[in-house]
Amino acid sequence: GAGVSQTPSNKVTEKGKYVELRCDPISGHTALYWYRQSLGQGPEFLIYFQGTGAADDSGLPNDRFFAVRPEGSVSTLKIQRTERGDSAVYLCASSRGLAGVNEQFFGPGTRLTVL
Amino acid sequence: DQQVKQNSPSLSVQEGRISILNCDYTNSMFDYFLWYKKYPAEGPTFLISISSIKDKNEDGRFTVFLNKSAKHLSLHIVPSQPGDSAVYFCAARIQGAQKLVFGQGTRLTINP
Repeated sequence: GAGVSQTPSNKVTEKGKYVELRCDPISGHTALYWYRQSLGQGPEFLIYFQGTGAADDSGLPNDRFFAVRPEGSVSTLKIQRTERGDSAVYLCASSRGLAGVNEQFFGPGTRLTVL
Repeated sequence: DQQVKQNSPSLSVQEGRISILNCDYTNSMFDYFLWYKKYPAEGPTFLISISSIKDKNEDGRFTVFLNKSAKHLSLHIVPSQPGDSAVYFCAARIQGAQKLVFGQGTRLTINP
């Protein structure tokens, strides 16, 4: 079946602009995660959804970052007033959301470049 | 505060030999540890995991060892194959949470 998909694959924007990054999880996966990976680093947790609600948003760096998942499937990560330091690969993952450890399946990521 | 550390940024191994990737952690509240593999322009792919109550888990060519007293885990790949060349990330899950904490990654190169 289809894996996690993310659009766009690349996004170049100017400092101060607003961007939206989209994630389509694997069908039937109730849990969805956003991570950010900077050059030379591992993925860093941003936010986790269980269904439509954000169960853990402790990784969002500041109030310029916001994410939604209105129907419990597709999610959008929104970044306001982008800064050059926001440049990174934004990864989305989904899992079955069952009790116990659940393998997280990652998408290919969106590479965001803020000029 | 880097809770999960992979101190070797790169490792080069000859095809057919054993590859050993290492990971250290500081948080005693981690209850699961996972290894992910990443090719360029792709997302990380799950390889193998281990519960904190175990000390070894094996899946084919891949074995993960956990030493809780030393807060250290390692991934063994034997025999190493050219397709194993990738970046390997160690990750850990805090008990009661779902988010993963990742190390910085180790780039493994298998030489023919």
